Amino acid sequence: EDQVTQSPEALRLQEGESSSLNCSYTVSGLRGLFWYRQDPGKGPEFLFTLYSAGEEKEKERLKATLTKKESFLHITAPKPEDSATYLCAVRGNNNDMRFGAGTRLTVKP
Amino acid sequence: DSGVTQTPKHLITATGQRVTLRCSPRSGDLSVYWYQQSLDQGLQFLIHYYNGEERAKGNILERFSAQQFPDLHSELNLSSLELGDSALYFCASSRDREVGLALHFGNGTRLTVT
Repeated sequence: EDQVTQSPEALRLQEGESSSLNCSYTVSGLRGLFWYRQDPGKGPEFLFTLYSAGEEKEKERLKATLTKKESFLHITAPKPEDSATYLCAVRGNNNDMRFGAGTRLTVKP
Repeated sequence: DSGVTQTPKHLITATGQRVTLRCSPRSGDLSVYWYQQSLDQGLQFLIHYYNGEERAKGNILERFSAQQFPDLHSELNLSSLELGDSALYFCASSRDREVGLALHFGNGTRLTVT
């Protein structure tokens, strides 16, 4: 069964303090690894898709990387508006999208 | 704005009742997915429809059912409601059937069962 584990569960950073979020996964036939951002009371907002080990994607202060077993979401010089829950998900051969429990990020000014 | 529309935004009902949640996918998307999100469970996949056909089932209870209509909108029906069914229900859409494309989510329906 496909599994996604995210760590840490919660992360508190000072504005400007860079860090990384981890997503470990096991999947039968990776068809895509996805990162989403979710604000309270809202639906997940799509950030990145990664398809193969070694691939990297960037958007503003966020950079996602992928290996055969895990993905990292690097946050460089975060701002308070980056505070949200970040969700990782995988799609495997069964084409279902399975989500991790998320990392709740708080960035203090 | 993801382009996925869900109604209603909030729903409060009593145990034993039945409700219907509605989803309109993004223009051009043929796939609709339903997810349940509760505080202690995270996002749980319920069911996937592609162009009117059921494609996959996840952790969907027998009291729940869904369908996708010819105009591609979808409805999730929840019956014999229990307190534990209180959660956020999200609909997501995608253009694909088999290819690993991203899902685009609506803002959900918050269901409260009292």
